[in-house]
Amino acid sequence: GAGVSQSPSNKVTEKGKDVELRCDPISGHTALYWYRQSLGQGLEFLIYFQGNSAPDKSGLPSDRFSAERTGGSVSTLTIQRTQQEDSAVYLCASSLLGTGWSYGYTFGSGTRLTVV
Amino acid sequence: AQSVTQLGSHVSVSEGALVLLRCNYSSSVPPYLFWYVQYPNQGLQLLLKYTSAATLVKGINGFEAEFKKSETSFHLTKPSAHMSDAAEYFCAVSDGGNNRLAFGKGNQVVVIP
Repeated sequence: GAGVSQSPSNKVTEKGKDVELRCDPISGHTALYWYRQSLGQGLEFLIYFQGNSAPDKSGLPSDRFSAERTGGSVSTLTIQRTQQEDSAVYLCASSLLGTGWSYGYTFGSGTRLTVV
Repeated sequence: AQSVTQLGSHVSVSEGALVLLRCNYSSSVPPYLFWYVQYPNQGLQLLLKYTSAATLVKGINGFEAEFKKSETSFHLTKPSAHMSDAAEYFCAVSDGGNNRLAFGKGNQVVVIP
């Protein structure tokens, strides 16, 4: 696609439910990143994909968080047993492999997750 | 690991006045530096980047930033603020070691008419 697409744009869920957030990167971008943006906290790195593999999962905050990527394209971030502290905007970004750290990323518009 | 510091979460500036957002970085190797802007309910958009060419970098919307190695700084400026500049601004750094950017906490810019 022309840009990075994320869905849904907004999600309200009850505490304890599981949620799935989707990211469709720019066509041909093999690197994909997930960040979490909480009020006053800036952007927190979650996970990085290179193709379908995730060489860096160091930012996932707990084992309730997981992510996968299939076909070198769409990625899904899953949060199990959601807690109120998971409320945030989840941003996805993509870049051509090996260039993100020098050329920057292209970001999607994010998914605003609210856990009630 | 690389990191950036942005002081002052909220910055108010009068329309027509200078916009100055400060960013200081920490990196063990020559860094790549970025400024991103985020408008309400949107993702981050790249304003400009420093990649070891010219130390004064010009970006979109009249913004520019100067890389000063001696001060480990990459401050963002715009000579004359416009109402449309109201947004959140993030500084980011990368040293290539882990193939990702580290972001500051951001500056929320409010433009006063």
